[in-house]
Amino acid sequence: NAGVTQTPKFQVLKTGQSMTLQCAQDMNHEYMSWYRQDPGMGLRLIHYSVGAGITDQGEVPNGYNVSRSTTEDFPLRLLSAAPSQTSVYFCASSFAGGLRNTGELFFGEGSRLTVL
Amino acid sequence: RKEVEQDPGPFNVPEGATVAFNCTYSNSASQSFFWYRQDCRKEPKLLMSVYSSGNEDGRFTAQLNRASQYISLLIRDSKLSDSATYLCVVGGSYNFNKFYFGSGTKLNVKP
Repeated sequence: NAGVTQTPKFQVLKTGQSMTLQCAQDMNHEYMSWYRQDPGMGLRLIHYSVGAGITDQGEVPNGYNVSRSTTEDFPLRLLSAAPSQTSVYFCASSFAGGLRNTGELFFGEGSRLTVL
Repeated sequence: RKEVEQDPGPFNVPEGATVAFNCTYSNSASQSFFWYRQDCRKEPKLLMSVYSSGNEDGRFTAQLNRASQYISLLIRDSKLSDSATYLCVVGGSYNFNKFYFGSGTKLNVKP
């Protein structure tokens, strides 16, 4: 069982470069999301999706784009990387219908991004 | 103001001790509450949901106080394996797809 798979696990970028963090899940979850985790800040929601073709913004969406063309995949794009985007990024998924009650988000192992 | 606030700790306790964490949330209309556990450099994992009536799962007890807008987690008979960061999580009030995470409370259980 793969669960939620994120790639790459580590990445170093220069300011202004673009890149895509990949996220795939094999649990047929409708809900997928991206968080960033910074020291002292907790996890903050960047974008989320409740199904293919549907995306919405979270708390900190600026500088990031997402799309959801399939149920399985939810890539996060950094358009022009900035040092402030240095962080650990987590993708998480769940069954949309039960999210409120169970609260169980299934997280990937994280992607550590450094922007120089 | 942060949606969810937690004491970062660390809480350093001996094995067998009882330890309690609190967190406060700012939106009184919040509907769902959870505790997650995160080991060092790992992904968060759901520990337990928090219900209005309080709930228990083995050595772990979670309580919700809506009037004071705080959530608590009590760990009894602490084990070395309980050492981790505990994240308080609050679901959105009108949008159940948005979760707000506290920055976490670090627990170190010593032999």
